[in-house]
Amino acid sequence: AQSVTQPDIHITVSEGASLELRCNYSYGATPYLFWYVQSPGQGLQLLLKYFSGDTLVQGIKGFEAEFKRSQSSFNLRKPSVHWSDAAEYFCAVGAGAAGNKLTFGGGTRVLVKP
Amino acid sequence: GAVVSQHPSRVICKSGTSVKIECRSLDFQATTMFWYRQFPKQSLMLMATSNEGSKATYEQGVEKDKFLINHASLTLSTLTVTSAHPEDSSFYICSANPRLAGYTQYFGPGTRLTVL
Repeated sequence: AQSVTQPDIHITVSEGASLELRCNYSYGATPYLFWYVQSPGQGLQLLLKYFSGDTLVQGIKGFEAEFKRSQSSFNLRKPSVHWSDAAEYFCAVGAGAAGNKLTFGGGTRVLVKP
Repeated sequence: GAVVSQHPSRVICKSGTSVKIECRSLDFQATTMFWYRQFPKQSLMLMATSNEGSKATYEQGVEKDKFLINHASLTLSTLTVTSAHPEDSSFYICSANPRLAGYTQYFGPGTRLTVL
């Protein structure tokens, strides 16, 4: 069975600083990987996804993620954080015949200091 | 595009009653819809997968007689929590997988259920 680990429960970063959120997955086949963001009172919003091809994926809001098969990782990065990036971030792996059954990591809460 | 709505956003009910939550894809047809449960400060746990016109597939440990799922059309799925108890209090989130859109799921804003 697939699993996703987000080692960092909380991360505090200063506004304007860079951000990297870690995600490690376990899956026996080629994974479909996703990053979602959940802001208070709002639904999960898709930041980016990886299915195949270029291992560096660009997403919305200035985020990018890099798929590293050798490390079973899909870390999310942003060069310069804005206060509005404070939220909960979830990494997920898609499995099943259609790759659309998602297993989520535990999430990382990002706090942004002024 | 790809907007998913849920109704109600919050509901409070008495123990023993049933509650229905609706999930609608507003601007696309969804071949598959999913229901998740999220406990406070925790991740999302998949409860069930529903395909239009067929029975839902429940994850291990999820009581199908307690959490009734109906996927009546390509834009509507409902979750009914039957004979609700305080331990059913949670945040319920649905998502939808558009047709011809690969494996991406779009999520609703969630429904906060409180059972007194």
